Amino acid sequence: EAGVTQFPSHSVIEKGQTVTLRCDPISGHDNLYWYRRVMGKEIKFLLHFVKESKQDESGMPNNRFLAERTGGTYSTLKVQPAELEDSGVYFCASSQVGSTIQETQYFGPGTRLLVL
Amino acid sequence: LAKTTQPISMDSYEGQEVNITCSHNNIATNDYITWYQQFPSQGPRFIIQGYKTKVTNEVASLFIPADRKSSTLSLPRVSLSDTAVYYCLVITNAGKSTFGDGTTLTVKP
Repeated sequence: EAGVTQFPSHSVIEKGQTVTLRCDPISGHDNLYWYRRVMGKEIKFLLHFVKESKQDESGMPNNRFLAERTGGTYSTLKVQPAELEDSGVYFCASSQVGSTIQETQYFGPGTRLLVL
Repeated sequence: LAKTTQPISMDSYEGQEVNITCSHNNIATNDYITWYQQFPSQGPRFIIQGYKTKVTNEVASLFIPADRKSSTLSLPRVSLSDTAVYYCLVITNAGKSTFGDGTTLTVKP
């Protein structure tokens, strides 16, 4: 079974540009999460989808970040316009909807974003 | 969200048992405790999850005392390939979790 995949693996852009990150969850997983680690800090929750609906987006830093999950399959996270402080690693995770919400989250390898 | 506290780093030798303890004093009734392992340039990988008492799987054991304010991840007979960062997470019943700083485990030959 394929794991969570993320694209691209790396992205280098200039301040002010737009970048779109993609996450393909494990097939059948309705829960999809985005996290990020900015330089020197801990991994932080950004948001949580259940199918195509945003369940919790309390971790989104500001309105320059837009996450979508049309059709409830893959998800995109767009940063527009990118700022220097957005540099870091963006992780996606997915889990099944089971008897408890604390189903195991499986993480992708991350997208390393560098804003110059 | 319950904050977690772990040692920043630990050293061990091949073949030893390693125990990493995490404090989560503000854990809520419905929260679960989960441990992840992360290698450089990879995403976190699930190790084990528990609610109370003891949980064991093929790679680790998790000990959780009755008050659930701490948990201990036990790795039996570590090898060099177990060198990684280990994160203790508390996951709420809304599926939300927070990573702490993690514990960098270095296994020496």
